[in-house]
Amino acid sequence: AQKVTQAQTEISVVEKEDVTLDCVYETRDTTYYLFWYKQPPSGELVFLIRRNSFDEQNEISGRYSWNFQKSTSSFNFTITASQVVDSAVYFCALTRHQAGTALIFGKGTTLSVSS
Amino acid sequence: DADVTQTPRNRITKTGKRIMLECSQTKGHDRMYWYRQDPGLGLRLIYYSFDVKDINKGEISDGYSVSRQAQAKFSLSLESAIPNQTALYFCATSDPRAAPNTGELFFGEGSRLTVL
Repeated sequence: AQKVTQAQTEISVVEKEDVTLDCVYETRDTTYYLFWYKQPPSGELVFLIRRNSFDEQNEISGRYSWNFQKSTSSFNFTITASQVVDSAVYFCALTRHQAGTALIFGKGTTLSVSS
Repeated sequence: DADVTQTPRNRITKTGKRIMLECSQTKGHDRMYWYRQDPGLGLRLIYYSFDVKDINKGEISDGYSVSRQAQAKFSLSLESAIPNQTALYFCATSDPRAAPNTGELFFGEGSRLTVL
């Protein structure tokens, strides 16, 4: 069975601190995709990144970076020099490749960044 | 205009009432989904549809029904609402013809339902 675990329920940091959000997944598939979504206080879901299981290169986008490690089944998300606008709920999700299933989401991590 | 539109955005209703949440999309995607979000529980799948003639139960379908009226429309109904169905509901679409087919979802803005 597929499963996504985000062990950190809530994280609080002060502006400019770096913060890492953990995501651990379980799947028996060899081909799969991992996602991160952001949900700001306004409630909409914002797509951040997609990664396929064959691409273990880390990715950096501005202050955001992602560390994908198949050996530990983890897909962690780091925000460098956090800002108040980063305050949101962040979801990690998993889907099978070309299978008739929907995204499986973790329970989310609430990040609060104070000034 | 949003590609995936949900109506109503907010609804307060009473226990026992029938309520329908509607979703329409202009993305031309065959696949549509209804998720429910509760604090601390993430998003959980209620129903999904891969085409007009295909309806599938998700993780938490009890107490809900759906109708796929057309490729672009997917409605979620609560026949007799109860307070523990108070939640934020999201409609989403995906395109199985996308290359690569990643299963990426495109979400509506959410419908907040309160059952008193």
